[in-house]
Amino acid sequence: AQKVTQAQTEISVVEKEDVTLDCVYETRDTTYYLFWYKQPPSGELVFLIRRNSFDEQNEISGRYSWNFQKSTSSFNFTITASQVVDSAVYFCALSKGSSNTGKLIFGQGTTLQVKP
Amino acid sequence: DAGVIQSPRHEVTEMGQEVTLRCKPISGHNSLFWYRQTMMRGLELLIYFNNNVPIDDSGMPEDRFSAKMPNASFSTLKIQPSEPRDSAVYFCASRGTGWNSPLHFGNGTRLTVT
Repeated sequence: AQKVTQAQTEISVVEKEDVTLDCVYETRDTTYYLFWYKQPPSGELVFLIRRNSFDEQNEISGRYSWNFQKSTSSFNFTITASQVVDSAVYFCALSKGSSNTGKLIFGQGTTLQVKP
Repeated sequence: DAGVIQSPRHEVTEMGQEVTLRCKPISGHNSLFWYRQTMMRGLELLIYFNNNVPIDDSGMPEDRFSAKMPNASFSTLKIQPSEPRDSAVYFCASRGTGWNSPLHFGNGTRLTVT
């Protein structure tokens, strides 16, 4: 069975702090895809990153960085120098099956609150 | 470029009424997905289409739910008759043809059934 676990339900930090959102996944597929989406208070789902199972290189995009480790089945997301605008619910997701079909299994989400 | 467009943004209806949610995918995208978000179950896939053909509807909760995609630029999700437990945010998403294309979501329709 496939499953995504985001153990942190809510995180609260003060602006400029670094924060890491954890994501642990379960799958029997040898090829799979992992995603992070952001859901701000306005409600839309915004795509942040996609990672293939055969590419374990970490990625950095501005203040965002992602650490993918197959050995621990984790795909953690770090925001450096957090800002109030980062306040949102963040979802980690796993593609179902061995191709990027868009059939995503979502975690329950982590609500991040960044206080000024 | 326009993203995935959903209408209406909000829908309030009474139990037993028919509800139709609409979606226009991103032009050129060949896959369309309907997801539902609730507090209890989180985000879950209801159905998806590839080239206008329904591929997997195993997530559709029951026969009261139906979805159509008459052409590449339009899809509907219908609930008839609606029930209070159908209250949720319904998202439509589309995806391009490239193997590494991500899913792009619309802004969602918040449905309240009283």
